[in-house]
Amino acid sequence: DAGVIQSPRHEVTEMGQEVTLRCKPISGHNSLFWYRQTMMRGLELLIYFNNNVPIDDSGMPEDRFSAKMPNASFSTLKIQPSEPRDSAVYFCASRSDRGSNEKLFFGSGTQLSVL
Amino acid sequence: GESVGLHLPTLSVQEGDNSIINCAYSNSASDYFIWYKQESGKGPQFIIDIRSNMDKRQGQRVTVLLNKTVKHLSLQIAATQPGDSAVYFCAENTRAGKSTFGDGTTLTVKP
Repeated sequence: DAGVIQSPRHEVTEMGQEVTLRCKPISGHNSLFWYRQTMMRGLELLIYFNNNVPIDDSGMPEDRFSAKMPNASFSTLKIQPSEPRDSAVYFCASRSDRGSNEKLFFGSGTQLSVL
Repeated sequence: GESVGLHLPTLSVQEGDNSIINCAYSNSASDYFIWYKQESGKGPQFIIDIRSNMDKRQGQRVTVLLNKTVKHLSLQIAATQPGDSAVYFCAENTRAGKSTFGDGTTLTVKP
């Protein structure tokens, strides 16, 4: 299994530009999570999906952030317009909720720098 | 100017010693707890988990203890090795499936 795949690995953009982060969860996993990691706030849960449906988006910072999961094998996190304070590492994680094992499997993250 | 960020707890141990990393969780309704290890440049990786109906679980070189009375979780690593150097996070899951993370502890193992 290839694990959770995130792209791009690094993204450098200018303030005001649109940024799209992509995630392919592990096949068969039915929950998907987006986290943001910074030195200021640690690992923050932004949003999570179950069976492609957003369950809790209370962690999404503001309307500039949006996330979609059009099918079980793909999700995007979009920031429009981006701001320097959005600079962080963004992680996607997936989980199988079948059975009692509920651990998350993380991707390698996208390092976002907004100049 | 000076940057302000999370003041992560740090633990420095000698190779071969035992390590104990502590975590306080916030939600008394959480029913599943997990410890993750994050190495530099990587995403967190699962180490060990425990359900709320247990107070201790052992793995290979690692033990997790859960005290629901004071909402405290600990991770014990036996015979700590240089490869154990990383940031360690505890996470709590609610029955609704939400998974939230603590601030993390940086473990440094001195050879």
